[in-house]
Amino acid sequence: GAVVSQHPSWVICKSGTSVKIECRSLDFQATTMFWYRQFPKQSLMLMATSNEGSKATYEQGVEKDKFLINHASLTLSTLTVTSAHPEDSSFYICSARPTGGRNGYTFGSGTRLTVV
Amino acid sequence: QKEVEQNSGPLSVPEGAIASLNCTYSDRGSQSFFWYRQYSGKSPELIMSIYSNGDKEDGRFTAQLNKASQYVSLLIRDSQPSDSATYLCAVPRNSGNTPLVFGKGTRLSVIA
Repeated sequence: GAVVSQHPSWVICKSGTSVKIECRSLDFQATTMFWYRQFPKQSLMLMATSNEGSKATYEQGVEKDKFLINHASLTLSTLTVTSAHPEDSSFYICSARPTGGRNGYTFGSGTRLTVV
Repeated sequence: QKEVEQNSGPLSVPEGAIASLNCTYSDRGSQSFFWYRQYSGKSPELIMSIYSNGDKEDGRFTAQLNKASQYVSLLIRDSQPSDSATYLCAVPRNSGNTPLVFGKGTRLSVIA
């Protein structure tokens, strides 16, 4: 089945530094990647939608200059958390929907970010 | 704004029983519906998808859709402790390649 590989699975960084999260579609072309954030005991909240070769679309309240999204190829989308603060600590998950019908969405394995 | 509502639980059932998880959605025009299972610290995994009114069965899982009532449910027969997880109901925001809108999830606990 369709697989999205997400790295790293966990990362600890210091406040003020930047962290890059990568999501690769391994066996399909992901023209669109959805980025979610999940805080403890809460559901997934959409942060942004990235489209290959164009600017990402951010949800209301998500700072585009803080969460930089790049979707340079049909198989790779990246999310960079810039100048990270402890409140950015969360579980970040990417998702894509393989084309070809009404298939379910495939999720990456998630990245647990802890900012200290 | 499309909304998906779920009872957050926890829902506790004994091993071997039927677990019933419910979900309602706000947009009458929604066409596809998904149930995901999420273990603590893991990303969601697809359990069932349903598009037509009625029941859809896959092993121990049955999804039920009632578009008139804007209601979708997931039944888990012969519940096992390994089924203990949070179950997320999700609906695409729009048609085409658009993101999923998730409910808050129902936490299921199967007691051995």
